[in-house]
Amino acid sequence: DAGVTQSPTHLIKTRGQQVTLRCSPKSGHDTVSWYQQALGQGPQFIFQYYEEEERQRGNFPDRFSGHQFPNYSSELNVNALLLGDSALYLCASSLGSAFEQFFGPGTRLTVL
Amino acid sequence: DQQVKQNSPSLSVQEGRISILNCDYTNSMFDYFLWYKKYPAEGPTFLISISSIKDKNEDGRFTVFLNKSAKHLSLHIVPSQPGDSAVYFCAAQYNDYKLSFGAGTTVTVRA
Repeated sequence: DAGVTQSPTHLIKTRGQQVTLRCSPKSGHDTVSWYQQALGQGPQFIFQYYEEEERQRGNFPDRFSGHQFPNYSSELNVNALLLGDSALYLCASSLGSAFEQFFGPGTRLTVL
Repeated sequence: DQQVKQNSPSLSVQEGRISILNCDYTNSMFDYFLWYKKYPAEGPTFLISISSIKDKNEDGRFTVFLNKSAKHLSLHIVPSQPGDSAVYFCAAQYNDYKLSFGAGTTVTVRA
């Protein structure tokens, strides 16, 4: 049973560029959440997708957008990258409104 | 706003002894609390949770205690093992689905 998978593992971009990160949820899960983890901090909630719609959003600017596909996989898009966007981006999946979320290994984004 | 706080960034404990990790929160609306464990290059892994209607939950070597009046929870690991060396995150949730995390505590278990 595959867990949560994310791609790519690492990514290097320059300021002003755009990036797309991908996530496949754990088998049987229909809800995907995205978190940003800066160095030395805990994960910060970006948004959650359920039934292909954004169900809730954290305190992140509109440069951060997402999408969920009919197979429940999800993408996180970040436009106009800033140096401060450098972080580990974690995807987590769950079933419906279940409290327990299962995390993927993350994508390490470096903005130069 | 940091609603969940882990004030000890690191903890060193001898193998076989007890590890106690602490977490404080400010939002009285939180009704579910979780602990996650994270190894380098891996995502956080769910460890144990507790509902706000309880004050204690045990799972093998792991016990979580909740003190609602003090807005404080703790994780006890007994006995500590070398494989427990990791970063531990406290997280909290209420009816809005998102998890609010603390900054984490790095636990090192010495042989």
